Amino acid sequence: AQSVTQPDIHITVSEGASLELRCNYSYGATPYLFWYVQSPGQGLQLLLKYFSGDTLVQGIKGFEAEFKRSQSSFNLRKPSVHWSDAAEYFCAVGAQNTGNQFYFGTGTSLTVIP
Amino acid sequence: NAGVTQTPKFRVLKTGQSMTLLCAQDMNHEYMYWYRQDPGMGLRLIHYSVGEGTTAKGEVPDGYNVSRLKKQNFLLGLESAAPSQTSVYFCASSPTVEDEKLFFGSGTQLSVL
Repeated sequence: AQSVTQPDIHITVSEGASLELRCNYSYGATPYLFWYVQSPGQGLQLLLKYFSGDTLVQGIKGFEAEFKRSQSSFNLRKPSVHWSDAAEYFCAVGAQNTGNQFYFGTGTSLTVIP
Repeated sequence: NAGVTQTPKFRVLKTGQSMTLLCAQDMNHEYMYWYRQDPGMGLRLIHYSVGEGTTAKGEVPDGYNVSRLKKQNFLLGLESAAPSQTSVYFCASSPTVEDEKLFFGSGTQLSVL
């Protein structure tokens, strides 16, 4: 069965510092991988996605993520965090042959210290 | 450009009451989904639909029913609400498999007393 694990429930970083949010997935075939961000009281917004090809994908707001098949990981990174990046981040896995079902991790809450 | 619209945004129910959440999308998307979001549990798929007239169960379907009579609408029903159904409910839609991305509504906060 598909599953997504985000081992870090909460992360605090200083503004300007680098960020890495971890995501591990379990899926039998090649997955489609996503990172979404949720600001308080809002729905989720797509940051980036990986389907195939280049394993380093660029997203919006200066985020990037790297797909590592050998580690079943899809970690999200940003070189320099801004105070506006404080939010909840969700990793998700999906696939065509599951009726386009998407499975989400439990999320990582990011706090940014001025 | 409305995107995905959920109504209502907030609702308080008493145990045993019924209600329907409405999701409407104006992007002509084939796929629609209902998720619930609970603290520490992320988003869990309740039901989903791959097209008009079709629905399927997700991870946590018990206590919910859905209908997709029109392509643009996806209804989530609670026949007899329970306190365990207190949650934030999100509707989402996605286009065909060529562009796998979820578009989310802004959520419905439901409290069952």
